[in-house]
Amino acid sequence: DIQMTQSPSSLSASVGDRVTITCRASQYISRYLSWYQQKPGKAPKLLIFAASSLQNGVPSRFSGSGSGTEFTLTISNLQPEDFATYYCQQNYITPPHTFGQGTQLEI
Amino acid sequence: EVQLVESGGGLAQAGGSLRLSCAASGFSFSNFAMSWFRQAPGKGLEWVSEISDSGDNTHYADSVKGRFTISRDNSKNTLYLQMNSLTDADTAVYFCAKWYVRTDAFDIWGQGTKVTVSS
Repeated sequence: DIQMTQSPSSLSASVGDRVTITCRASQYISRYLSWYQQKPGKAPKLLIFAASSLQNGVPSRFSGSGSGTEFTLTISNLQPEDFATYYCQQNYITPPHTFGQGTQLEI
Repeated sequence: EVQLVESGGGLAQAGGSLRLSCAASGFSFSNFAMSWFRQAPGKGLEWVSEISDSGDNTHYADSVKGRFTISRDNSKNTLYLQMNSLTDADTAVYFCAKWYVRTDAFDIWGQGTKVTVSS
C-alpha cells in the first residue's frame, strides 16, 4: 500500500498568515492527490483535487501544488474559519484510498 | 440539494453486528461509486470499503475484510455497510462518501454515524 506522510502534524498560525502543509507519498502517485478540510464533529470537505484544482466553492486563498511524490497545500491570508485539520489522500493506486495522518492548524 | 445521510450507528457488543445505511439524494446515485470511511476517536481518516456504481465490484480494507459487507440498492438510493464480528477497534464515526471520477476524489460526504463497540 502507498503510505502518505504529512508535515507538520500540527501548526500554529494567526489570522492573515500564510501557511504551507506538505504531503509525501511513499511512491509515485502522479497528480492523484486530494486535500480535505475537517472541522471537529464534521465531515471532511474536499478542497483540492488532482493536486492543484480547486473544488467548486472553495476560496481562492487555498492552493495546491506538486506531482510525483511531494505535494503542498498553501493557505494564504488565513481566516478564522480555516482553523481545522487538513488531510491529504492519494487515489493513484487503490484500494486502499490512503490518507496522511492529518495536520491540525491551530490559532 | 446533494446530500448523504448516514444512520444505523449505536452501541454494539463485541462480537455483535450492526448495519449502517447511507441515504443519497440530489444526484443520480446509480451512476456513482461509493465508499465508507471511519474515524476512531481522536484519530485520522481510514478508508473502509468501496462499491462500484452497479454494485458488481467491491473492495475492503484489510482491517475489515471478511467481517464487513458493503452493498447498495440503487432503486432506494441507499448504500449499506453490514458489520459483523465487531471489536473495540471498530469504534469510530463512520462516513459514507461519493466518488467523482472526473476529479478522482470524494466530493460529497455524509455527516457520519457513531458506532461504539463495548466489550
